[in-house]
Amino acid sequence: RKEVEQDPGPFNVPEGATVAFNCTYSNSASQSFFWYRQDCRKEPKLLMSVYSSGNEDGRFTAQLNRASQYISLLIRDSKLSDSATYLCVVNRPRNQGGKLIFGQGTELSVKP
Amino acid sequence: NAGVTQTPKFQVLKTGQSMTLQCAQDMNHEYMSWYRQDPGMGLRLIHYSVGAGITDQGEVPNGYNVSRSTTEDFPLRLLSAAPSQTSVYFCASSPGDRLAFFGQGTRLTVV
Repeated sequence: RKEVEQDPGPFNVPEGATVAFNCTYSNSASQSFFWYRQDCRKEPKLLMSVYSSGNEDGRFTAQLNRASQYISLLIRDSKLSDSATYLCVVNRPRNQGGKLIFGQGTELSVKP
Repeated sequence: NAGVTQTPKFQVLKTGQSMTLQCAQDMNHEYMSWYRQDPGMGLRLIHYSVGAGITDQGEVPNGYNVSRSTTEDFPLRLLSAAPSQTSVYFCASSPGDRLAFFGQGTRLTVV
């Protein structure tokens, strides 16, 4: 089983749609969680951190369920510019190497 | 403040050739990492460093060497290039074991 697993894509949605991405992680000691965005042929960039209480940044809402080891990202009112690959990222704590582990990514395509 | 700078951006190698991918950061981050990204595989960690003089293997280290003589630089060496090393390579730096700032990537083709 992969340490971080994401919904397989691609997701094809019309403008204005709401879309949700899911991610599960297997290391219960992980403490930090992130969503990154990667545009085609570009480097990944941090979209948002994920906090235990859930957090929102404009049209984006991230949630964490530690008991189920599950992370989600909700995008409301999708824009054409949201088309990208979304990467779920989980850290291993320092006593396990302190590495960031990336999911394989879910591709989103927003159509007019 | 340039962030993370990777060179070259594109490279074609013949099988058996060696080369070094350069990575430099000007943010005084302690953590630096090298990833490769292949279709359907996501980002896989090759090697990483938690500070000058300290390196460790990641998920896919075979065929690659690294060194970290300074905080700023973390070069990745391909000892004898193979077609299986055709990939996009990203260098990243982090202030700790969280977050990561990536370079723009190196697209490597081994023929």
